Amino acid sequence: QQPVQSPQAVILREGEDAVINCSSSKALYSVHWYRQKHGEAPVFLMILLKGGEQKGHEKISASFNEKKQQSSLYLTASQLSYSGTYFCGTAYSGSARQLTFGSGTQLTVLP
Amino acid sequence: KAGVTQTPRYLIKTRGQQVTLSCSPISGHRSVSWYQQTPGQGLQFLFEYFSETQRNKGNFPGRFSGRQFSNSRSEMNVSTLELGDSALYLCASRPTTGNTGELFFGEGSRLTVL
Repeated sequence: QQPVQSPQAVILREGEDAVINCSSSKALYSVHWYRQKHGEAPVFLMILLKGGEQKGHEKISASFNEKKQQSSLYLTASQLSYSGTYFCGTAYSGSARQLTFGSGTQLTVLP
Repeated sequence: KAGVTQTPRYLIKTRGQQVTLSCSPISGHRSVSWYQQTPGQGLQFLFEYFSETQRNKGNFPGRFSGRQFSNSRSEMNVSTLELGDSALYLCASRPTTGNTGELFFGEGSRLTVL
């Protein structure tokens, strides 16, 4: 079952913060986050595992809430290079191998 | 290290035809997954191959098939093409199967069905 991402799109100014959510109706085993720029391949950002800690990469971090079956991606002090479509990919307990992606969140950072 | 290579990058077919897409994974990667990307639908999982065996299959009709060769290169085939098959087909590789590893995506093959 496809995870639900919100918002579908967000526009912000350089330096502003953004949060992208990824929710599942099934028990999550892991959550992947990827960013895809227009015309390019999706690029890996991070993985969060069940029972794992919050992960971070420079000004991009994420959390995994097992109770809510939700992951959130935090983009702090956004840069122009953060523009793109963000996808979460989820793997479920009992079906750990298959990764199911959400429909994406389009992030646009304006100068 | 060369990345994931997909060929052809662009192709145009007509309804009823068939198409074969190719994916060369990163050297040493034995798992290859295929995804269909359409506007608003995100990435839809097609199948995953590992060591020449199909490990997982998504919810696509039997017209979609794939295979993996001993050198880990993979092909996917779509027979009896329909207009709705127009999409970007992405291939991703990783060293092994399971979901704890990063997926390395190719730039995709953009298929247009007329």
